[in-house]
Amino acid sequence: GAVVSQHPSRVICKSGTSVKIECRSLDFQATTMFWYRQFPKQSLMLMATSNEGSKATYEQGVEKDKFLINHASLTLSTLTVTSAHPEDSSFYICSAIAVWKNTEAFFGQGTRLTVV
Amino acid sequence: ELKVEQNPLFLSMQEGKNYTIYCNYSTTSDRLYWYRQDPGKSLESLFVLLSNGAVKQEGRLMASLDTKARLSTLHITAAVHDLSATYFCAVDHGGATNKLIFGTGTLLAVQP
Repeated sequence: GAVVSQHPSRVICKSGTSVKIECRSLDFQATTMFWYRQFPKQSLMLMATSNEGSKATYEQGVEKDKFLINHASLTLSTLTVTSAHPEDSSFYICSAIAVWKNTEAFFGQGTRLTVV
Repeated sequence: ELKVEQNPLFLSMQEGKNYTIYCNYSTTSDRLYWYRQDPGKSLESLFVLLSNGAVKQEGRLMASLDTKARLSTLHITAAVHDLSATYFCAVDHGGATNKLIFGTGTLLAVQP
C-alpha cells in the first residue's frame, strides 16, 4: 500500500518561533503533495499544492511567507510555520499523489500544532 | 469557485436504522471521494468514485455518484456504533488534479 508519514504528530511551540512539519511518502514517489489545515470541528481547507522542484502554489488567503513549503524530492515535502501565533494552532494534514496512481490521494496522519 | 456542501451536518441515529448523507457540489467534476475521520485522527479513505453512475459498497456503507446532478450519496444500512465518526466528501477541483475541496462534514453518532 501507499504510506504517507507526517512528523511530528504533535508539537507545542512558543509564540514567535518557527515549526517545521515533514510529509514523506514512504514506499512511492509522489509527483504532487498537498497541505491542508483543519480547525476543531471544521472541515479541511486546502492551503497549497507542492510540486517537486518548483515553487508551491498557494490558495487564496494563505500567506506564502507565513507558511513556507519546500518540496526537495519526490518523497519529501515540508511545511514551515514561521513566527507562529496562537491562531496558527490547528491540525495540519498532507496528502501525496503517487506517480503510478493519480486517481487517489494518500493522507498523512496529521500534525497537531499548538502555539502557546 | 467550487463549493461542496453536505447535509446533514449532524446525524444522530439508532443502531439498526438506515440513513443517507448527501453531498452536493457546484461545478463539474468526475471525481468524488468519501472519507471517514475519527476524533484526533487523519482521514481514512472509504470510496473513490470516478464516473457518472458509479456505485460502490463496503460493508454497511454504499456510495453513489450522479455527475449530472452534481450529487453523491453515502447510504448507511443497519447502523452500528462503530460507524460513529465524521464523514467527509471531497471533490477534485479540476477534474483530475487531485486538489480536493472538502465538504462541510457530517458528524454521525450512532446510539445503542
